[in-house]
Amino acid sequence: KQEVTQIPAALSVPEGENLVLNCSFTDSAIYNLQWFRQDPGKGLTSLLLIQSSQREQTSGRLNASLDKSSGRSTLYIAASQPGDSATYLCAAFSRGSGNTGKLIFGQGTTLQVKP
Amino acid sequence: KAGVTQTPRYLIKTRGQQVTLSCSPISGHRSVSWYQQTPGQGLQFLFEYFSETQRNKGNFPGRFSGRQFSNSRSEMNVSTLELGDSALYLCASSLSTKGGSYGYTFGSGTRLTVV
Repeated sequence: KQEVTQIPAALSVPEGENLVLNCSFTDSAIYNLQWFRQDPGKGLTSLLLIQSSQREQTSGRLNASLDKSSGRSTLYIAASQPGDSATYLCAAFSRGSGNTGKLIFGQGTTLQVKP
Repeated sequence: KAGVTQTPRYLIKTRGQQVTLSCSPISGHRSVSWYQQTPGQGLQFLFEYFSETQRNKGNFPGRFSGRQFSNSRSEMNVSTLELGDSALYLCASSLSTKGGSYGYTFGSGTRLTVV
């Protein structure tokens, strides 16, 4: 059974810092991993999608890596800004039978970037 | 292009009532998944529909049901509401049931409060 864990649960940094959010998963047979951002009371915004055959994906100041052998993914945020304050969720896509599957989410890391 | 649209945004219901939530996926997306988000349990998979057929189901009681129409719009129904059903219900769409290939796009959610 796939389990996804995110550490730390909360993080507070001063503006301008580079930071790393961690995500670990127990079953290395994932199809892919997706990082999301959630603002309070809102839905999820997709940030990056990494296929199982890929090692990393980049979008602007964000870089996500995937290491299936160790069951880990990291989200690197460069030059953090107050607008980056949100909860960041990672989700592993686990395949079931008949080409179906579902996202297994971590509990999230709540990031606060102080001006 | 239009994103995933969920209606209504907020609902307040009384215990024992039933409720129906609606989700319109991104145009061209045929897969619709539903997730429940609570502070205690985080994000949990409810079910997935593709081409009007339920392809996958999470570990929720039979009071939770859904359906998908020929235009890919989906509805989720919860009967005999309980206080514990209070949650943010999120809908996600993807191009196919191999959702991992393309990732998921989420709506803004429906906030259900049961009193």
